[in-house]
Amino acid sequence: KQEVTQIPAALSVPEGENLVLNCSFTDSAIYNLQWFRQDPGKGLTSLLLIQSSQREQTSGRLNASLDKSSGRSTLYIAASQPGDSATYLCAVNTNAGKSTFGDGTTLTVKP
Amino acid sequence: NAGVTQTPKFRVLKTGQSMTLLCAQDMNHEYMYWYRQDPGMGLRLIHYSVGEGTTAKGEVPDGYNVSRLKKQNFLLGLESAAPSQTSVYFCASSPMTSGNPYEQYFGPGTRLTVT
Repeated sequence: KQEVTQIPAALSVPEGENLVLNCSFTDSAIYNLQWFRQDPGKGLTSLLLIQSSQREQTSGRLNASLDKSSGRSTLYIAASQPGDSATYLCAVNTNAGKSTFGDGTTLTVKP
Repeated sequence: NAGVTQTPKFRVLKTGQSMTLLCAQDMNHEYMYWYRQDPGMGLRLIHYSVGEGTTAKGEVPDGYNVSRLKKQNFLLGLESAAPSQTSVYFCASSPMTSGNPYEQYFGPGTRLTVT
């Protein structure tokens, strides 16, 4: 059974810092991995999707990497801003169309 | 495109009452999902569908039923609501034959309270 772990569970940083969020998974037989952002009381917004054959994806200040063999993905946020404060979730998708989500990392960026 | 929409946004039920949550997507996606999100439990898959007329059980299907009579709609039913079903329910869809297969798009959620 796939298990997805996100560390740390919570992170507080001052504005302007670069930071890394971690996601690890136990079964490397994945189709792709997706990073989401969730604001309090809201739905999930997709940030980046990495196919199993890719090593990284970039969107603006966000960079996600994937090391399938070691079961790890990281989300790098450059020059963090207070507006980045949210919960970040990773989801591992199989080719059967099913996903396993981590519990998320709650990020607070202080002005 | 409206993407994935859910109705209602909020609902309060009494124990034993029934209700149906509606999910609609306008992206012609093959796959649709129902999740529940609870504090400390993360997102858990209730039921999913790989195409019109098909449904399958997820991780926590007990107490729920689903139907996918049309490709764009996925209904989640609670026949006899229980306080343990108090949660936020999210619907999602993903393509299989176009775009990025299995990339999930989420609705805004339905907050359900069962008293």
